[in-house]
Amino acid sequence: GAVVSQHPSRVICKSGTSVKIECRSLDFQATTMFWYRQFPKQSLMLMATSNEGSKATYEQGVEKDKFLINHASLTLSTLTVTSAHPEDSSFYICSARFRGGGVWQFFGPGTRLTVL
Amino acid sequence: AQSVTQPDIHITVSEGASLELRCNYSYGATPYLFWYVQSPGQGLQLLLKYFSGDTLVQGIKGFEAEFKRSQSSFNLRKPSVHWSDAAEYFCAVGRGGSQGNLIFGKGTKLSVKP
Repeated sequence: GAVVSQHPSRVICKSGTSVKIECRSLDFQATTMFWYRQFPKQSLMLMATSNEGSKATYEQGVEKDKFLINHASLTLSTLTVTSAHPEDSSFYICSARFRGGGVWQFFGPGTRLTVL
Repeated sequence: AQSVTQPDIHITVSEGASLELRCNYSYGATPYLFWYVQSPGQGLQLLLKYFSGDTLVQGIKGFEAEFKRSQSSFNLRKPSVHWSDAAEYFCAVGRGGSQGNLIFGKGTKLSVKP
C-alpha cells in the first residue's frame, strides 16, 4: 500500500513553455503533499507544502508564481513550471502524507524535466 | 535550525565487505530519523526509520541503523554489501507536528567493487 505515482516520468520542453507534473496517491487520501527538487548529484530540497483545499506554502527562495501548485483533491497535486527556462531543468519529486501521518511520507518516482 | 550532515560524499566498498554510512543531525527535540536509498533516475525508497524506542532499528535489505543521542548520530550499517546496493543514500530528519516535512542530507554515493 501507500503508493504515489508521478506523471510524466520524463519531459523535455522548449524554453518559455509551461509544464505540468502530476502527483497522485493511489491507495490513500493525501491531505498533505510535498514537492522537492533535486539537482544532479545534490540532495532533495523542499520547494513547497500543499494541503488539500488550501494554498501551498512555499519555502524561502521559491517563486510561487513560477512554480504553481494545486492540490484540488485528496489524491492529486499538480506542479506547473511556468515559462520554463534551462535552469529549471531538474528532478522533481513529490511525496504524500495521509491525515495524522506525522512525518511519515511516501515518495513518488520523480519527474525528470529538461528545458532546452 | 534543523540540519543533517552526511560527511562522506562517496564511499567504495568491496562486495561482501561491511558498510557504515555516517549521518549526524542537528535538531532541537527528539528527532524522527530516516534513511532512504535512491537508484539512478529513480525516486526514494525508505530503508528504515527511527521514531522512538529501541535505538537499533532494522530495515529492509539487511540494513540497520543505530540512534545515538549523545553523538547526534544515526549511522547506517550493513554487514555484507551486495553489488545491488550501489546507489545514493540519504539520511533525513523529520519535523514533527503539522509540518511534517523532511530535511535531507546531501547524500552518500555508494559504489561496490566486485
